[in-house]
Amino acid sequence: NAGVTQTPKFQVLKTGQSMTLQCAQDMNHEYMSWYRQDPGMGLRLIHYSVGAGITDQGEVPNGYNVSRSTTEDFPLRLLSAAPSQTSVYFCASSPRGVTSGSTGELFFGEGSRLTVL
Amino acid sequence: GDSVTQMEGPVTLSEEAFLTINCTYTATGYPSLFWYVQYPGEGLQLLLKATKADDKGSNKGFEATYRKETTSFHLEKGSVQVSDSAVYFCALSDRLNQGGKLIFGQGTELSVKP
Repeated sequence: NAGVTQTPKFQVLKTGQSMTLQCAQDMNHEYMSWYRQDPGMGLRLIHYSVGAGITDQGEVPNGYNVSRSTTEDFPLRLLSAAPSQTSVYFCASSPRGVTSGSTGELFFGEGSRLTVL
Repeated sequence: GDSVTQMEGPVTLSEEAFLTINCTYTATGYPSLFWYVQYPGEGLQLLLKATKADDKGSNKGFEATYRKETTSFHLEKGSVQVSDSAVYFCALSDRLNQGGKLIFGQGTELSVKP
């Protein structure tokens, strides 16, 4: 019963390097999203997707890129890492809105801790 | 825009003490409200939720009531345990769940001492 799986769990990058955080879910959820968690700021939405082929920006999208080629996968790409992107990243998924019985609950992965030097 | 404000932490309590973590929100329409808990080194997991005014969510001895008149969703527990030590997040979503997006408060760290 995997749920939402994120890899890697830990990563150290140098400024300017690029990398991809992987996220996969096996619950056939239409919605997927990426958040970053920083001390004293809660979780902030980076990008989200309402289905395969459809993505949109959240509150803090700059420096990140996403794509959604399948229902299951939603990778987050850091194009040129900066120290300000040092954070814990969470991927989440949820079923479609209230018409399918969903009440907005998100299912989270265990997080990916990224340090940019 | 919509927002969530939580009481600041950290909160330190002795075992068996009463817990209240305040949460207020601003939102258009009629959001759903959530409390999530994050144990050390783990992701967030849903603790409880309420989808309409006057609903009470409850789980593991925690309770919160959706108060539309005061735009609040305070978390309470009558007797905390050391195992309740965690970070607690209040959150809201658009009731239509457009895109599976939640707006989170800043989190409140709870530490329970034996």
